Amino acid sequence: GAVVSQHPSRVICKSGTSVKIECRSLDFQATTMFWYRQFPKQSLMLMATSNEGSKATYEQGVEKDKFLINHASLTLSTLTVTSAHPEDSSFYICSARGVRDRYYGYTFGSGTRLTVV
Amino acid sequence: GIQVEQSPPDLILQEGANSTLRCNFSDSVNNLQWFHQNPWGQLINLFYIPSGTKQNGRLSATTVATERYSLLYISSSQTTDSGVYFCAVALRGGSNYKLTFGKGTLLTVNP
Repeated sequence: GAVVSQHPSRVICKSGTSVKIECRSLDFQATTMFWYRQFPKQSLMLMATSNEGSKATYEQGVEKDKFLINHASLTLSTLTVTSAHPEDSSFYICSARGVRDRYYGYTFGSGTRLTVV
Repeated sequence: GIQVEQSPPDLILQEGANSTLRCNFSDSVNNLQWFHQNPWGQLINLFYIPSGTKQNGRLSATTVATERYSLLYISSSQTTDSGVYFCAVALRGGSNYKLTFGKGTLLTVNP
């Protein structure tokens, strides 16, 4: 139980285009979803927190207009990287929090490796 | 925000050896998790352990919440244990219960 599916796992896009990453909780309702970014050989940095039906809360220094987050349902959150540039190349990971988290903690997706050329 | 410090940053072991990884945190927490990140980037949830002790096979973890630290024990290490181990915590009473990660311990187990 408590599976989070993240797609795509890898994406290569041209500079200036937009890329959408999906995060789905498959067997539970996610009251809150989190988006992280990880650069090579570094830790995970929280980008934003999203609650179903409300606007995302972004961490300091994260551009809201570049990283659009939509949490339209209790099982789906999307991250859209708009007008991507090579410096946006990174590993993006989502996480979901549901009622089970008090027993098992948060569940993470498998990540998306974005390369902007 | 809450500070999370992990030690050691790097650890090299021979197969079969035991090891202890430490996580110190700066404030009261209501969530603490240990993860293993495999070479493909997947975060494997090892333990949810805001307090107490848990064991799962060769791995065990202890969190002493009053002293603000947690330990991850790996016994009889195997080459497949190699990777980065992260500790992550959520601040008690914090908004949205967001997890803050430490910088990780890079474990290399040699055959």
